[in-house]
Amino acid sequence: DTAVSQTPKYLVTQMGNDKSIKCEQNLGHDTMYWYKQDSKKFLKIMFSYNNKELIINETVPNRFSPKSPDKAHLNLHINSLELGDSAVYFCASSQEGLWGYTFGSGTRLTVV
Amino acid sequence: DQQVKQNSPSLSVQEGRISILNCDYTNSMFDYFLWYKKYPAEGPTFLISISSIKDKNEDGRFTVFLNKSAKHLSLHIVPSQPGDSAVYFCAALIETSGSRLTFGEGTQLTVNP
Repeated sequence: DTAVSQTPKYLVTQMGNDKSIKCEQNLGHDTMYWYKQDSKKFLKIMFSYNNKELIINETVPNRFSPKSPDKAHLNLHINSLELGDSAVYFCASSQEGLWGYTFGSGTRLTVV
Repeated sequence: DQQVKQNSPSLSVQEGRISILNCDYTNSMFDYFLWYKKYPAEGPTFLISISSIKDKNEDGRFTVFLNKSAKHLSLHIVPSQPGDSAVYFCAALIETSGSRLTFGEGTQLTVNP
């Protein structure tokens, strides 16, 4: 039973399209995150939600919009996709007071 | 401005020997340091952490050393096993900034049988 699951695993789409990536965690964690791993392999935080409330919003184009319907879900919607959005996107969760994240297996987004 | 850096993109060691992965940081405000391990097509998994008030933390074959004056930490794996072959990420956080992790770019470790 996967602790943090994200779908889809792979996503190939054309420039200008709108797409969503879904994430669910069954660990009962309070906080969820979206990280982006770019072509240089750096993992950089994009957003963080704690109990459905946005607490971290890095300098990310406003084409990216996270949505947290409940504390077990954090989805990422991307409008007007651009070539530079191609990356691997990781969802993660953590419990307050504990520093280790649990990551999903990633979504490889390719914009063509 | 990359605050956490892993200057070796890859490391190759022989099975049974010691693997030493290095990490440097620039922000003296970091309170905790963590190492994550990542296999292909999987998410990173938490391996070991160390608080900034300590200089060593050990868990089985894995030991993390922290040198605050040099702003340097290292992960020692001994003995190394082929199953340890993965990308290792160093990460750091400032406790008061919530749980935002700043990651290094990773080091690919290959353990040869």
